[in-house]
Amino acid sequence: ETGVTQTPRHLVMGMTNKKSLKCEQHLGHNAMYWYKQSAKKPLELMFVYSLEERVENNSVPSRFSPECPNSSHLFLHLHTLQPEDSALYLCASSQGLGGTVEQFFGPGTRLTVL
Amino acid sequence: DAKTTQPPSMDCAEGRAANLPCNHSTISGNEYVYWYRQIHSQGPQYIIHGLKNNETNEMASLIITEDRKSSTLILPHATLRDTAVYYCIVRAPRAGNMLTFGGGTRLMVKP
Repeated sequence: ETGVTQTPRHLVMGMTNKKSLKCEQHLGHNAMYWYKQSAKKPLELMFVYSLEERVENNSVPSRFSPECPNSSHLFLHLHTLQPEDSALYLCASSQGLGGTVEQFFGPGTRLTVL
Repeated sequence: DAKTTQPPSMDCAEGRAANLPCNHSTISGNEYVYWYRQIHSQGPQYIIHGLKNNETNEMASLIITEDRKSSTLILPHATLRDTAVYYCIVRAPRAGNMLTFGGGTRLMVKP
C-alpha cells in the first residue's frame, strides 16, 4: 500500500463511451500526476497538478480531460477514445515538485478500449 | 535532464546480490540519480536516490562512480519478489522538472 488508490482497477469501454478514472492520495501531498504506460513503451507523463493548478500538459489529446478538485483527488475524464488509448493509467503524488521529491504511485487502472 | 543507458534485462540467482548498472555520461553537476522499480502490473516504487556519495537504505545500496558518469544499484540478497523492471533516472531538483522513465532493466530473480 503506497497511500495512493485508483479506481477502477480495470475498465473496458467502447469508443463512444464516457468514463472517468479516479485517484485519491492519503499522504497529505500537494502535487499529483497522471502517467500512461502502453505495452512495451516507457511511462509517459500526461498531466501534473500542483496545489490544484495544472502545471504540465504533455501534448495530450483533448479526449483526455483531467480534473483536480482538491489536493487529495485527481480525475481523468475519458471520451471518444481510440483503441490505441488502451494502456495502464497510473496516478502518482508527491510533496512539492522541486527538490529531491519522491513520487508515490498508485496501482493503476488497466483500460481497454474496444 | 541527462539520458541514461541500462541493459534491457538481467538474471540473478535468489539469495545472491543483484548489481544493476546505469550509464549517465552526460550528467550535470546538480542532477541526482534516482532508482525506481515496477513489479508486474503495479505502479512504480521509489527505491533510492543520490548525488555523489554512496547511499544505502533498507531496500538497496547506490554506488555512484567518482566522475558520476555511471552508477550501480545493489540489491544485497535478491528474492523472487525483487523480480521487476528497474528504472535509473537522472533529474535536477528544480520545480517543474519531471521524472522521465526510459526502458529500464528487467531483472529476473531465479530460484
